[in-house]
Amino acid sequence: QQQVKQSPQSLIVQKGGISIINCAYENTAFDYFPWYQQFPGKGPALLIAIRPDVSEKKEGRFTISFNKSAKQFSLHIMDSQPGDSATYFCAASMDSSNTGKLIFGQGTTLQVKP
Amino acid sequence: DTAVSQTPKYLVTQMGNDKSIKCEQNLGHDTMYWYKQDSKKFLKIMFSYNNKELIINETVPNRFSPKSPDKAHLNLHINSLELGDSAVYFCASSRAIRVYEQYFGPGTRLTVT
Repeated sequence: QQQVKQSPQSLIVQKGGISIINCAYENTAFDYFPWYQQFPGKGPALLIAIRPDVSEKKEGRFTISFNKSAKQFSLHIMDSQPGDSATYFCAASMDSSNTGKLIFGQGTTLQVKP
Repeated sequence: DTAVSQTPKYLVTQMGNDKSIKCEQNLGHDTMYWYKQDSKKFLKIMFSYNNKELIINETVPNRFSPKSPDKAHLNLHINSLELGDSAVYFCASSRAIRVYEQYFGPGTRLTVT
């Protein structure tokens, strides 16, 4: 119930291509779905987040698509660049709960080839 | 002007030793967290503190003891270190009402030999 399942585990994309990472959840009490980006040797950093009442959110080349009925959401990276090479984590949180916490997916290592 | 800082960055120690990791945030957040990231990069929450009060304790061995002297600091003390404790430990902070928006420190790589 508390899990967030992420796929694929790793992804190789050519420069200029579209990178797509998928996540699925079970608990309908989650009320925020963020994506974090982690470069080697650094801590994760919030990239973009969406609420379940919104079907899509775009920030620059990064887009979250959200399918509430299927309990799935995905990150699309358009025009992927070598600098996007990192590990990406989807997550879910219950911000409305005073014991809220982030549940992370397993992570996807993205390599963008020049 | 670092937002969330951790010390030390690297920690190499022998089994059975006791060690501490310190964390400080200057973002004015009221909630702080400790995460463990294993060799497969899986991130798992260990503890959460809100205004110095323990909120989350995720089935972590008693050898791990967090301490929050004030809202800006959350330290992690580990007793009797074991090989399986080797991992990267991240401190993070957020506002209590914006749990999804967490700011992570640079991590402490702990190696137990």
